[in-house]
Amino acid sequence: QQQVKQSPQSLIVQKGGISIINCAYENTAFDYFPWYQQFPGKGPALLIAIRPDVSEKKEGRFTISFNKSAKQFSLHIMDSQPGDSATYFCAASPGSNYQLIWGAGTKLIIKP
Amino acid sequence: ETGVTQTPRHLVMGMTNKKSLKCEQHLGHNAMYWYKQSAKKPLELMFVYNFKEQTENNSVPSRFSPECPNSSHLFLHLHTLQPEDSALYLCASSQDWGAGELFFGEGSRLTVL
Repeated sequence: QQQVKQSPQSLIVQKGGISIINCAYENTAFDYFPWYQQFPGKGPALLIAIRPDVSEKKEGRFTISFNKSAKQFSLHIMDSQPGDSATYFCAASPGSNYQLIWGAGTKLIIKP
Repeated sequence: ETGVTQTPRHLVMGMTNKKSLKCEQHLGHNAMYWYKQSAKKPLELMFVYNFKEQTENNSVPSRFSPECPNSSHLFLHLHTLQPEDSALYLCASSQDWGAGELFFGEGSRLTVL
């Protein structure tokens, strides 16, 4: 019940296309859902996060879609660029003072 | 220096060696973390320190020993490791324990021979 399942494990998208990464959870107490981006040789960095009171959050080309009833959330990268090539991690937690539960990561490659 | 810095970036050690990983954060945060990152697996939280006090120890083997002398520095002492301990060890900090954004260092790549 504490797992966050992330798919796909790897993804190749053409430049200009839409990249979609999905995550599913079971614990209905989760109420904070961040996405982290990790470039090779670097640590993960927060990209965007959402709480379940909204169904969508957009920051530039990056959008989180949240489906509370399905217990799923996804990251959409519009107009994907080669510079977006990285590993993306979703995570979830039941709020403050609880550790993040992480997905296994998606390696995204954007082909020029 | 800014952000979270980790040293060394790469470490190769034998199973009988003793070594230490160092982390320093320049963000004025109160919480610091050690994570283990293995390929195709979720990040594994190992230890959490909040205001220099250890608040989490996720059943980590005793061959890993953390030390937090102050809110800016965190160490991970390593001894008699196993080859399966080879991984990227990430240090992170946040304003307070559980409070939002984690700031990660670049990691220490550990290889145990």
